[in-house]
Amino acid sequence: DTAVSQTPKYLVTQMGNDKSIKCEQNLGHDTMYWYKQDSKKFLKIMFSYNNKELIINETVPNRFSPKSPDKAHLNLHINSLELGDSAVYFCASRLGQDYGYTFGSGTRLTVV
Amino acid sequence: AQSVTQPDIHITVSEGASLELRCNYSYGATPYLFWYVQSPGQGLQLLLKYFSGDTLVQGIKGFEAEFKRSQSSFNLRKPSVHWSDAAEYFCAVGARNYGQNFVFGPGTRLSVLP
Repeated sequence: DTAVSQTPKYLVTQMGNDKSIKCEQNLGHDTMYWYKQDSKKFLKIMFSYNNKELIINETVPNRFSPKSPDKAHLNLHINSLELGDSAVYFCASRLGQDYGYTFGSGTRLTVV
Repeated sequence: AQSVTQPDIHITVSEGASLELRCNYSYGATPYLFWYVQSPGQGLQLLLKYFSGDTLVQGIKGFEAEFKRSQSSFNLRKPSVHWSDAAEYFCAVGARNYGQNFVFGPGTRLSVLP
């Protein structure tokens, strides 16, 4: 199936650990994004890549590092996890400038 | 900077009743406007979008939205709500170029009474 897929869907980890979330899209889209959705459902942009080039890098702690090995993948690595990192992280992609986003189903990160 | 407000945090309607969800935006140029729906535990699905042209746009699942530039609004409507429409609805504003991301409103939670 064509889609934006994220793994894992759920991630429970202890404070201080390092974890990664993977995102892949097979839609042929040029641009990919990471959004964070907090407990109040507020969506905030974190990063965006266009053809493997970082184009948006919001005020995010440098413990968060995106990596785009090719334009179909955008992974998110988080170092030294903190309680406040608990949230749902959404990956999205965009075909072109006249299109909306296609979202993945999200990764629920819980830091204990 | 662009921003989006959705004045209603939570709306409850009876099944079969009409629905209007409000969205107001602030943007310095002609905006791209979107409505997304998020069912519990799911990602966001695009309902409809407005880029230009006819200010009344039709979307999936029987939804429509009207762009009113004078009021900086993009309200979502549905003439008859179904129980399966219960979800969180997000309005978003964006730009054409890749250098700007979409900004999402805080969301409106829709509950549907049987």
